Amino acid sequence: GAVVSQHPSWVICKSGTSVKIECRSLDFQATTMFWYRQFPKQSLMLMATSNEGSKATYEQGVEKDKFLINHASLTLSTLTVTSAHPEDSSFYICSAREETYEQYFGPGTRLTVT
Amino acid sequence: QKEVEQDPGPLSVPEGAIVSLNCTYSNSAFQYFMWYRQYSRKGPELLMYTYSSGNKEDGRFTAQVDKSSKYISLFIRDSQPSDSATYLCAMDSGSARQLTFGSGTQLTVLP
Repeated sequence: GAVVSQHPSWVICKSGTSVKIECRSLDFQATTMFWYRQFPKQSLMLMATSNEGSKATYEQGVEKDKFLINHASLTLSTLTVTSAHPEDSSFYICSAREETYEQYFGPGTRLTVT
Repeated sequence: QKEVEQDPGPLSVPEGAIVSLNCTYSNSAFQYFMWYRQYSRKGPELLMYTYSSGNKEDGRFTAQVDKSSKYISLFIRDSQPSDSATYLCAMDSGSARQLTFGSGTQLTVLP
């Protein structure tokens, strides 16, 4: 199956700083990428959808000025958590899809804000 | 009512058992159905993808879709301890181009 990578896999940052997470589709071109957030023992919560070269579409309740998403190429999307606070600590997962409907997920990034 | 309902479990079975995981949905627009397996602290892994009613088999896994009843199932034969994970059903209408997930079922296969 298709492979999606994320970097870093785990990051610890201080409150008030910004953190960037990268998501790459390694062996296919992703026309659409998605960013999810997941709390322990809960299902995935979609944060935003991004198409290459256009602005991301954010889900209701997700602050677009806090969670900056850039989809600069067909293989790379980035999520920047700006001015992070402890409540932003979570597991962030990206996924990518081609023109078909299967979504392939990255391994996730664990963010801890101290 | 949620668009997708999935029995959260947890479900515990002995090694070698047949496991049945189920989801029901209310939105008749859903046309594409997926099952994902998620190990703790990892991203979901796509197991099965189907878009028609009926059965689809891949090794020990069989995905079943009944669009008339709005019901999908995943069967795992000869379950192994390595199958212990959370299983998520997911659906797509095609026009929305985003997935709607079930809440996940936590499965433990005991050796």
